[in-house]
Amino acid sequence: GENVEQHPSTLSVQEGDSAVIKCTYSDSASNYFPWYKQELGKGPQLIIDIRSNVGEKKDQRIAVTLNKTAKHFSLHITETQPEDSAVYFCAAGDEMDSSYKLIFGSGTRLLVRP
Amino acid sequence: NAGVTQTPKFRVLKTGQSMTLLCAQDMNHEYMYWYRQDPGMGLRLIHYSVGEGTTAKGEVPDGYNVSRLKKQNFLLGLESAAPSQTSVYFCATSDRGNEQFFGPGTRLTVL
Repeated sequence: GENVEQHPSTLSVQEGDSAVIKCTYSDSASNYFPWYKQELGKGPQLIIDIRSNVGEKKDQRIAVTLNKTAKHFSLHITETQPEDSAVYFCAAGDEMDSSYKLIFGSGTRLLVRP
Repeated sequence: NAGVTQTPKFRVLKTGQSMTLLCAQDMNHEYMYWYRQDPGMGLRLIHYSVGEGTTAKGEVPDGYNVSRLKKQNFLLGLESAAPSQTSVYFCATSDRGNEQFFGPGTRLTVL
């Protein structure tokens, strides 16, 4: 089955700096890669996703890159702000499987220092 | 619209007791999922449903049962709770392969 590894487990950056979180996956059939942000006491919320037919996607300060050959994908946050502090999860899924199951990474706790 | 709601928000059980967690959605989504979240382990899928009347096992189904009698509700049952089931439980819904929307979670402690 699919296995998703996420690094680092914790990340501390200065406000205004960039943050990068990396994930690797094992199942070459995976073709959907979402990123979720979880604030304290809340459920995860989708911030960006990418499908295997593209290599990069951007949404304002957030970008995701995908390397299918190497089976890894990364989240990039530029010009970080204190409100970016949260736990971030990557996930991998196979849209060919009608269940649309996702396998999640173990999470990265991001702290943005003012 | 309330989105995805979960009942209860907190619960403490003794070993061997049973309980049911309720997930309700008003988004008219076909797919519903139950996850558990443990420190350092991300979210793991317990059971899921691809439509009313259907259920299937996820990664960690042992010790849990589910039912989807109505499209808008997905119930997670623990027949005989164990300390290893202490966790935060999240329900999620999706419109087929699109974004999964998560509820606020239920924090369960089994003593």
